[in-house]
Amino acid sequence: QQQVKQSPQSLIVQKGGIPIINCAYENTAFDYFPWYQQFPGKGPALLIAIRPDVSEKKEGRFTISFNKSAKQFSLHIMDSQPGDSATYFCAASYEGAQKLVFGQGTRLTINP
Amino acid sequence: DAGVTQSPTHLIKTRGQQVTLRCSPKSGHDTVSWYQQALGQGPQFIFQYYEEEERQRGNFPDRFSGHQFPNYSSELNVNALLLGDSALYLCASSRGASGTDTQYFGPGTRLTVL
Repeated sequence: QQQVKQSPQSLIVQKGGIPIINCAYENTAFDYFPWYQQFPGKGPALLIAIRPDVSEKKEGRFTISFNKSAKQFSLHIMDSQPGDSATYFCAASYEGAQKLVFGQGTRLTINP
Repeated sequence: DAGVTQSPTHLIKTRGQQVTLRCSPKSGHDTVSWYQQALGQGPQFIFQYYEEEERQRGNFPDRFSGHQFPNYSSELNVNALLLGDSALYLCASSRGASGTDTQYFGPGTRLTVL
């Protein structure tokens, strides 16, 4: 019940396309859903996060869509660029949890 | 403003040895969490330190232990190293110990066990 399932494992998109990464969870106690971006040899960097009281959140070219009834959330990257090529992780947590539960990651490649 | 820093960057040890990894949190942060990231996997929670105490532990054996100092910096110790302990060890800091407080990650320490 503590798992977060992420798909796809890898994704290749042409520059300017809109990659979409999906995550699903079981634990209904989760109420905080961040997305992290990780480049090779670096630690994960927070991109954007959402709480379940909203269905969508945008920050720059990054958008999170959240479906509470389906227990799913997704990351969309608008006008993708080669510099967006990285591994993306979704995660989940809740107020009393202390820890983040991460998905398995999606390796995204944006071709020029 | 310095972010989360970790040392050393890389470390090579042999089976059975012991290792200590270090983490300095982001300025203003009082909580440190440690994660293990195996190659091609998402980070797995090891434990969290707040007010110099271990607050929660993930599914890791007692060979993994830690400490938090009065200045909020932290150490992760691993005893009796196994080949399977080879991974990137990440430290994350936050202001507060709740799971919903934003966690900022350091660059990690790459541990290789031979």
